[in-house]
This record gives sequence, structure tokens and C-alpha cells, in this order.
Amino acid sequence: AQSVTQLDSHVSVSEGTPVLLRCNYSSSYSPSLFWYVQHPNKGLQLLLKYTSAATLVKGINGFEAEFKKSETSFHLTKPSAHMSDAAEYFCVVSFNTNAGKSTFGDGTTLTVKP
Amino acid sequence: NAGVTQTPKFQVLKTGQSMTLQCAQDMNHEYMSWYRQDPGMGLRLIHYSVGAGITDQGEVPNGYNVSRSTTEDFPLRLLSAAPSQTSVYFCASSFSGKTYEQYFGPGTRLTVT
Repeated sequence: AQSVTQLDSHVSVSEGTPVLLRCNYSSSYSPSLFWYVQHPNKGLQLLLKYTSAATLVKGINGFEAEFKKSETSFHLTKPSAHMSDAAEYFCVVSFNTNAGKSTFGDGTTLTVKP
Repeated sequence: NAGVTQTPKFQVLKTGQSMTLQCAQDMNHEYMSWYRQDPGMGLRLIHYSVGAGITDQGEVPNGYNVSRSTTEDFPLRLLSAAPSQTSVYFCASSFSGKTYEQYFGPGTRLTVT
């Protein structure tokens, strides 16, 4: 069975410092991996995705993630946090041909301090 | 392009009442899904559909029904509401294949008293 573990439920950083949100997955097959962001009282928006092309994936708003098969990880990073990055972030894995059956991590709440 | 739309935005039900959450998409996506979001638990899949006339259960299907008569619409029915169904419900759609991202609606906040 596939599963996703987001290693930190809360991450707090100061504005202008790097962001690291950690995600590990378990999948018997070659997965597709996604990061979504959810701002308060909003729906989810795609940040970036890995679909077996380049292992370093660049997304919107300066975020990027690196797929490491040997570590079964897909950590999300950003060099310099902005106040507007404060939100909930979800790591998602899908390996079926059916994209509807994705598995979500429990989420990481990112707080950005001025 | 409206994307994925959901109605209503908010709803309060009494225990035992039934209702239908509406979801529509205008992107001609084959796949549509319903999730519920509870604090600290991420999103859990309730039901999904791979095309008109085809639906299947997700992780937490009990107490919910779905049908898909058209590509565009995927309503979620609560048969007899219970307080445990208090949650935020999201509808999503995507093209077929594992490489395609899902597009989410704005959500419906449901409270069952």
C-alpha cells in the first residue's frame, strides 16, 4: 500500500530564512508526487509535481523539491521565506493510473515570523 | 473557465437529516473525487469516479453516496447526517493518469448538530 508521512506537523521560520518541509513516501511502484498549499479557509493549490522526469522540480512562488528514490523522500524547500508563505502544505503520492486515488499526508503548518 | 465549483459554501444540519453537496467542473476531466478534511488528518478520500456512470469507494465511504450521470457533475449525498460528519468537504477533478494534478473546489463547511 502507498503511504505518505510528513515528518513535521508544524514548522516555524523567520521571514527571509530558508524553508524545509519534509515528506517521505512508501510505494511499491514508481510514484508521482505532488506538493499542494492551502491558505486559511481556501481550497488547495498545486505548488509542484514530480512525474519521473527531472528529479529536481521547480514550482510556483520560488518553491522546489527534490525526488530522492534511495531515501524515498520528496522534501519541499524555499531559499527565503515570505510572510505570504504561511499556510498548510500537503505532500501527496499517486501511483495508480487512477489519479483520483491519491494519498495525502497529514499536512505541515508553516508559520513565518516577521 | 470556472474550474471546480461547489455549493453550498456552508451548511448546518441536524442529526438524521439528509442533503446533497454539489460539485461541477468545466474542464472535461475524467476523474472526480470527494474528500473530507478534519484537523490534523489531511484529506481523506470518500468516493471517486473515473468517468460518467462509474464510481468507487475511497478510504471513508460509510454514510455517503455518489453518482455520476454526466462528466461535469459529481454530487455527494449524506444519507442520514451524524455529528461525526462535521467536516470540510472538498471536490477535486483531474485528467486520467497518475501524472496529472487535481484541481480543487473551494470547499463546503458542514456542521451537524
